Amino acid sequence: GAGVSQSPSNKVTEKGKDVELRCDPISGHTALYWYRQSLGQGLEFLIYFQGNSAPDKSGLPSDRFSAERTGGSVSTLTIQRTQQEDSAVYLCASSQGLAPYEQYFGPGTRLTVT
Amino acid sequence: QQQVKQSPQSLIVQKGGISIINCAYENTAFDYFPWYQQFPGKGPALLIAIRPDVSEKKEGRFTISFNKSAKQFSLHIMDSQPGDSATYFCAANGDRDDKIIFGKGTRLHILP
Repeated sequence: GAGVSQSPSNKVTEKGKDVELRCDPISGHTALYWYRQSLGQGLEFLIYFQGNSAPDKSGLPSDRFSAERTGGSVSTLTIQRTQQEDSAVYLCASSQGLAPYEQYFGPGTRLTVT
Repeated sequence: QQQVKQSPQSLIVQKGGISIINCAYENTAFDYFPWYQQFPGKGPALLIAIRPDVSEKKEGRFTISFNKSAKQFSLHIMDSQPGDSATYFCAANGDRDDKIIFGKGTRLHILP
């Protein structure tokens, strides 16, 4: 079946603009995660959705970052008033929401803020 | 307590050699330890995983060794090949916690 897809694959934006990044999880997966990966760095957890529960937003770096998940499926990560330090690859992952919680990652969106 | 510490940051190994990456954790509630492999331009993908009730798990050239008392686990890649060049992340989570904690990653380069 289809894996996790993300769009766009690349996004170049000017400092101060808002951007929206989209994630389509694997069908039937109840859990969805967003991570940020700066060049050559590890995975920084941003936010996590599980079913109808309130999202875990503990990793969002500032109030310029927000995410929503509509109908328990597609998710959008929004970054307002982008800054150059927001430049990174944004990765989305989904899982069945059952132990052992194996996560399936999308290919990521490379965001460049000029 | 929620950290997973991974070393080394980068590793260069000759083709045919053994690549070893180490991880340590603090939280004894962790009971699932996956390794993810990431190639440039791609998202990470699950490579191999282990539960703490076994000390070793082998899949082809990849082996996880697990030391529960020391709270350490490691990935061994036997007969390393240039195609194994990638970034490897160790991770951990508990049976009731679906938020995986990742190590900072190891960039592995296998010399041809």
